[in-house]
Amino acid sequence: AQSVTQPDIHITVSEGASLELRCNYSYGATPYLFWYVQSPGQGLQLLLKYFSGDTLVQGIKGFEAEFKRSQSSFNLRKPSVHWSDAAEYFCAVHNTDKLIFGTGTRLQVFP
Amino acid sequence: NAGVTQTPKFRVLKTGQSMTLLCAQDMNHEYMYWYRQDPGMGLRLIHYSVGEGTTAKGEVPDGYNVSRLKKQNFLLGLESAAPSQTSVYFCASSQGKQPQHFGDGTRLSIL
Repeated sequence: AQSVTQPDIHITVSEGASLELRCNYSYGATPYLFWYVQSPGQGLQLLLKYFSGDTLVQGIKGFEAEFKRSQSSFNLRKPSVHWSDAAEYFCAVHNTDKLIFGTGTRLQVFP
Repeated sequence: NAGVTQTPKFRVLKTGQSMTLLCAQDMNHEYMYWYRQDPGMGLRLIHYSVGEGTTAKGEVPDGYNVSRLKKQNFLLGLESAAPSQTSVYFCASSQGKQPQHFGDGTRLSIL
């Protein structure tokens, strides 16, 4: 069965530090992959998506993600984190009319 | 520029009561989804619809019913609410494999 794993439940970084959030997927064909962000009390907002082509995709708010087929990974990165990036981040894979989400990674940012 | 609108935003029910959550989208999307979000479990798909007049079960459909009588609306019903249905409910819509657009959620407490 298709699945998405986000191994880190909670990550804490200092403002200005770099960030990498991990995402591993299980999917037979070429996956359609997404990263969403959820601020407290809000719905989910799309950060970026990968459908095909260039394996490094750029998103909003300075985020990027790299698709690595050999590692079944789609990790999210940001070179310098801002306090406003504190939120919960979800990785998802599209599977037959619906999305399968990971359980999320909560990011805390210290000044 | 409303996007996806969920009604109501908050609700408290007693066990055994019934209610309907309304989701409306103004993007002419074919696909609509209902999720529930619980701590540590990410988003779990309850039911979804791939077009007007169609519905399908997701990962956790028990205790819920849905209807899609109009393309822009997707209703989620709880016939006899149970405390286990206390959750935050999100509606989303999309066009095919394109990213889903989410509402701001409905916080539902069942006493």
